[in-house]
Amino acid sequence: DGGITQSPKYLFRKEGQNVTLSCEQNLNHDAMYWYRQDPGQGLRLIYYSQIVNDFQKGDIAEGYSVSREKKESFPLTVTSAQKNPTAFYLCASSIVGGSTEAFFGQGTRLTVV
Amino acid sequence: GNSVTQMEGPVTLSEEAFLTINCTYTATGYPSLFWYVQYPGEGLQLLLKATKADDKGSNKGFEATYRKETTSFHLEKGSVQVSDSAVYFCALRRGQGGSEKLVFGKGMKLTVNP
Repeated sequence: DGGITQSPKYLFRKEGQNVTLSCEQNLNHDAMYWYRQDPGQGLRLIYYSQIVNDFQKGDIAEGYSVSREKKESFPLTVTSAQKNPTAFYLCASSIVGGSTEAFFGQGTRLTVV
Repeated sequence: GNSVTQMEGPVTLSEEAFLTINCTYTATGYPSLFWYVQYPGEGLQLLLKATKADDKGSNKGFEATYRKETTSFHLEKGSVQVSDSAVYFCALRRGQGGSEKLVFGKGMKLTVNP
């Protein structure tokens, strides 16, 4: 079945450590996105990519980094510079342009202790 | 810039009650409009969409009509069920000029009691 796979579903890390969240899609979509979700704040865009080897900062990129070496994969690294990393992270993908919707993964809940 | 404003709740209804979740938007051009639903601990699923003025999206008993004159896309369901308990997000996307990212409202948590 086509879809987006995020792993792991739950992730615990110690403060000051970098951590990488995985996102893989087999929908043949060119565009991929990372969102952060906090209670009462909706979804905020961290980074997005429209094509391999290119990506743009979203609204809250500070403390995060991404790469897009393959069309299918868009990993997100939460660095030690991110002041409040505990959150629910959602990856999505879509066709570039047009009026189409984005498809979402099941999310990764990151807890930093 | 583009933005979406929606009712934030939380809202609690009894089973079989009527549901309306208001959503209004600000955007240049002609965006596509979406309603997404998120069940506890899961990602977002597309509930319905509309791509041009006066289009009506519908799915699972939910409906929303794209009203350009009032820049609105209100979600309605005539009789909610316990299984409709979830968070609902209104969103827009402009398709012109390349990959325009989705812009979301803040979401509204709905609880339906038996």
